[in-house]
Amino acid sequence: DTGVSQDPRHKITKRGQNVTFRCDPISEHNRLYWYRQTLGQGPEFLTYFQNEAQLEKSRLLSDRFSAERPKGSFSTLEIQRTEQGDSAMYLCASSLQNTGELFFGEGSRLTVL
Amino acid sequence: LAKTTQPISMDSYEGQEVNITCSHNNIATNDYITWYQQFPSQGPRFIIQGYKTKVTNEVASLFIPADRKSSTLSLPRVSLSDTAVYYCLVGLHGGATNKLIFGTGTLLAVQP
Repeated sequence: DTGVSQDPRHKITKRGQNVTFRCDPISEHNRLYWYRQTLGQGPEFLTYFQNEAQLEKSRLLSDRFSAERPKGSFSTLEIQRTEQGDSAMYLCASSLQNTGELFFGEGSRLTVL
Repeated sequence: LAKTTQPISMDSYEGQEVNITCSHNNIATNDYITWYQQFPSQGPRFIIQGYKTKVTNEVASLFIPADRKSSTLSLPRVSLSDTAVYYCLVGLHGGATNKLIFGTGTLLAVQP
């Protein structure tokens, strides 16, 4: 399968714990995006990378959230000191630079108890 | 970034043509219009993208009037499997800030 893959698909954690999600984009795609989606809402933009550079970060992303793409390939999204309001589906997408077609993964569903 | 407005929901029957219209009154000159489809518990999937007039692919057609302040996604002969949420997005194509902003989308329910 050469699509975008995300891991883990589901994560249940207790409030205050740290969690990390991984995204492996389509190999030739230089852009990588993170979105968050809650029930009944469209995906909310969090951040995006072009190669290893984080070019934009939403104001929705508090200091507890950090994303990296160290070698311009896979990316990680870490949430520190999780809160119940962080419960959502975290979606990763990748694209080529000069196209608006984003390829999304299946998402990582986070439940904070 | 241009904001989009689309109906919250639509109903249709199998075999009918469905047209979903999206308003984007403050679309910028360099913005493209993109539509995505999303099934429950899956990530969105690209359907079609256009800049002006008409674009057609194997899945859908996209109609964009001359003023580009709206667009219409046309799904020919829908089936039950087309039941999904459809998002209209407007954004800069391949530019320095290429983030795409999703709205709440249109839930299309196709009945037998």
